[in-house]
Amino acid sequence: DQQVKQNSPSLSVQEGRISILNCDYTNSMFDYFLWYKKYPAEGPTFLISISSIKDKNEDGRFTVFLNKSAKHLSLHIVPSQPGDSAVYFCAALTGGGADGLTFGKGTHLIIQP
Amino acid sequence: NAGVMQNPRHLVRRRGQEARLRCSPMKGHSHVYWYRQLPEEGLKFMVYLQKENIIDESGMPKERFSAEFPKEGPSILRIQQVVRGDSAAYFCASSPLLGSNTGELFFGEGSRLTVL
Repeated sequence: DQQVKQNSPSLSVQEGRISILNCDYTNSMFDYFLWYKKYPAEGPTFLISISSIKDKNEDGRFTVFLNKSAKHLSLHIVPSQPGDSAVYFCAALTGGGADGLTFGKGTHLIIQP
Repeated sequence: NAGVMQNPRHLVRRRGQEARLRCSPMKGHSHVYWYRQLPEEGLKFMVYLQKENIIDESGMPKERFSAEFPKEGPSILRIQQVVRGDSAAYFCASSPLLGSNTGELFFGEGSRLTVL
């Protein structure tokens, strides 16, 4: 049973436009959500996070939105740049974090010139 | 390089052999996590360790897999009698303190195991 779901394996967006990556979760005990970015042959790198007590967190071109009632979060990248092409993983954490992060399967974002 | 160091980056083993993957956490980090990424899959939690202690191994297969993080030296993920299904990328991550855990983990570049 997958607790964190990224239903789009890939997404293609034109350079300069907005990229929206979606993530759904089923475990209401998750209280922290993170997005990681991964280039081929490299480890994931942390991008942005949001606590469950907030509904929005912004960092430069990246904004994460959380809708707790819908158990849905999204990552907005605007404007999209070629270097944003990567696999984006949504991850979630329960209080204490002892179980580690629960990751989605990832969405491969392709920015087209 | 003060990041999480994993080695080897690539490892090829025949069925039945043993695989050992090493991870040195970032300087100052005392918490180590191992994740596995199978082809076309996301990252799956395997085990969480502190120095000389396994805190949570709920994601580890019950047989053939073991992990340690000794007082001195790197964390080691050991897979005995490997099978083709063990072929995957194994990522190590570290974090400084559990109490400050906002979830941000620092990942290594991964070790890619191929079982022939």
